Amino acid sequence: AQTVTQSQPEMSVQEAETVTLSCTYDTSENNYYLFWYKQPPSRQMILVIRQEAYKQQNATENRFSVNFQKAAKSFSLKISDSQLGDTAMYFCAFANFGNEKLTFGTGTRLTIIP
Amino acid sequence: DAGITQSPRHKVTETGTPVTLRCHQTENHRYMYWYRQDPGHGLRLIHYSYGVKDTDKGEVSDGYSVSRSKTEDFLLTLESATSSQTSVYFCAISEAGQGDTEAFFGQGTRLTVV
Repeated sequence: AQTVTQSQPEMSVQEAETVTLSCTYDTSENNYYLFWYKQPPSRQMILVIRQEAYKQQNATENRFSVNFQKAAKSFSLKISDSQLGDTAMYFCAFANFGNEKLTFGTGTRLTIIP
Repeated sequence: DAGITQSPRHKVTETGTPVTLRCHQTENHRYMYWYRQDPGHGLRLIHYSYGVKDTDKGEVSDGYSVSRSKTEDFLLTLESATSSQTSVYFCAISEAGQGDTEAFFGQGTRLTVV
């Protein structure tokens, strides 16, 4: 079974700074997908970024980028120029290629300090 | 926003009573999912459906049943609610499996069993 580990339960950073959230996963598969989801206080789950394991290039979405290290099974999220609206729970998630289901980590609560 | 609605949004019920949560979608997506979210556990899959009358268990399915008689509706039933089922429940939909296509989440239902 796949597992996803987020070792930082809580983090805080000053507005406009850069922050990196860690995620490691365990799988014996070679083809899979990795995701970061954001859950603001509204409780809505929002997809931030998606990475396909067969792509060596790290995914980016505006201020959000990932550092995907396949051999190390590491998938960290970097938020640049952090904004107050980035305050949220962030979940790392994993899905095997062709699999219907997501496996989530336990989340990191990020607070952006004004 | 994806057309996905959960009802009710909040519910308080007594131990031993049956409870049904409803997920309704207007996107005609094939896959529908029920997750529960608990502190320290992230989101865990309860059951999912890959078509009308086609369902399968997730990692925390004990004490829950589901039904999908129409493409647009996915019902989650707690036959006899227990305090351990106090949680926030999320429905999600996806066009194909959650690895291959983006999953969209409902707003969540906060269930309290007293």
